[in-house]
Amino acid sequence: GAVVSQHPSRVICKSGTSVKIECRSLDFQATTMFWYRQFPKKSLMLMATSNEGSKATYEQGVEKDKFLINHASLTLSTLTVTSAHPEDSSFYICSAPSARGYTFGSGTRLTVV
Amino acid sequence: GNSVTQMEGPVTLSEEAFLTINCTYTATGYPSLFWYVQYPGEGLQLLLKATKADDKGSNKGFEATYRKETTSFHLEKGSVQVSDSAVYFCALKSNYQLIWGAGTKLIIKP
Repeated sequence: GAVVSQHPSRVICKSGTSVKIECRSLDFQATTMFWYRQFPKKSLMLMATSNEGSKATYEQGVEKDKFLINHASLTLSTLTVTSAHPEDSSFYICSAPSARGYTFGSGTRLTVV
Repeated sequence: GNSVTQMEGPVTLSEEAFLTINCTYTATGYPSLFWYVQYPGEGLQLLLKATKADDKGSNKGFEATYRKETTSFHLEKGSVQVSDSAVYFCALKSNYQLIWGAGTKLIIKP
């Protein structure tokens, strides 16, 4: 139980386009979703916290207009990287609190060319 | 601020070798400490945790002891297997947030 399905696992996009990453809680309700980013050889950094039905809370230094987060239902949260640039290339992971603790998606490797 | 430092990988060992992955932390108060594992193509999974000083977390043959005096939470396993090949993350919980180490890739050769 307590599975978070994250898609896509890998995506390559052209500079200037937008990319949407989805995280779905398959067998539990995720009222909160944490979105992380990981740079090579660096720690996972919390970008924002989304709560179902309300605006996301962004960490300092994270551009809310660039990283659009929507948490429209108890089972779906999305992160859209708008007008992507090569420096947005990174590994993005979502996580939701569950009865087992924190349940993580498998991550999305974004490459912007 | 709070931070977690873990040894840089990759760590390459032969099957049945002894494993230690070092993790040290900086935190105010008394955080909970965690080890997560990410197998290839899968999401992060909680491996073990400890919530207070001198607690020992254990799972699947892995152990880690919460050492307040050295601010450490080193991961150990007496005899590793090829199936243990994965990326291991050390983390601490501060308020509602998890603070992460950079991850250590472990490669076990048969």
